[in-house]
Amino acid sequence: EIVLTQSPGTLSLSPGDRATLSCRASQSVSSSYLAWFQQKPGQAPRLLIYGAASRATGIPDRFSGSGSGTDFTLTISSLEPEDFAVYYCQQYGGSFTFGGGTKVEIK
Amino acid sequence: EVQLVESGGGLVQPGRSLRLSCAASGFTLEDYAMHWVRQAPGKGLEWVSGISWDGGNVAYADSVKGRFSISRDNSKNSLFLQMDSLRAEDMALYYCARPAAGFFYYYMDVWGKGTTVTVSS
Repeated sequence: EIVLTQSPGTLSLSPGDRATLSCRASQSVSSSYLAWFQQKPGQAPRLLIYGAASRATGIPDRFSGSGSGTDFTLTISSLEPEDFAVYYCQQYGGSFTFGGGTKVEIK
Repeated sequence: EVQLVESGGGLVQPGRSLRLSCAASGFTLEDYAMHWVRQAPGKGLEWVSGISWDGGNVAYADSVKGRFSISRDNSKNSLFLQMDSLRAEDMALYYCARPAAGFFYYYMDVWGKGTTVTVSS
C-alpha cells in the first residue's frame, strides 16, 4: 500500500500569502495519479487538482499542482479568505490512499 | 444537476448491522464505478469500498474486508453498503463518491454530503 505523508500538518498564513503544501509518497505514484482536495468544516471534499497538475472544473488558477514520482506539491499563489481549509492529497493508481491532511489556518 | 445523496446512517450498537444507501441523480449511474469513503470524527479521509459499473468487480479496505459488502442497483440509480459486525472504529461520516470518466481507480469528482454512522452501546 502506498502511504502518503503530507507536510506541514498546519500552515499559519495571512490572506495574500503564498501557500506551499507537500505530499510525499512511500513509493512512486503511477502515471502521476495524484489528486488534491479541499475540505471546509461540515462540507464534503472538493476536487481541486487531478493528474498531479490539472485543475478541476471551476477551480481558480491561483491553485496549481506539480510533481511526479514520490513528491507532489499544491501551491496556492495568493490566499483568499475562502481558501482557509484542510487539504488532502490522494493517490489513485491501482488503489486508493489519502494523506493525513494539511490545515491552512489564518495567522 | 449531478447529485449524490446518502442515507441510512444512525446509532447502532457494536456488533450490529446497518445498510447505507446512495441515490444518484443527474447522470446515468451504470456508466460509472462508485465508491464509499469515510471520515472518522476529527480525522482524515479513508477509502472504504468500490464497485465497478456492473457490480462484477468489488474491492474493500483491509479494515472492513469480510464485514462490509458493497452493491448497486442501476435500475434504481442506487448504491449500497451493507455493514455487519460494526465496531467503534467504524464510527464515521460515510460519503458516496463518483470517479470521473467511470473508471474504477480514478480521481473522485462528485461527492455526496455524507451520512453519519455512530457505533455505541
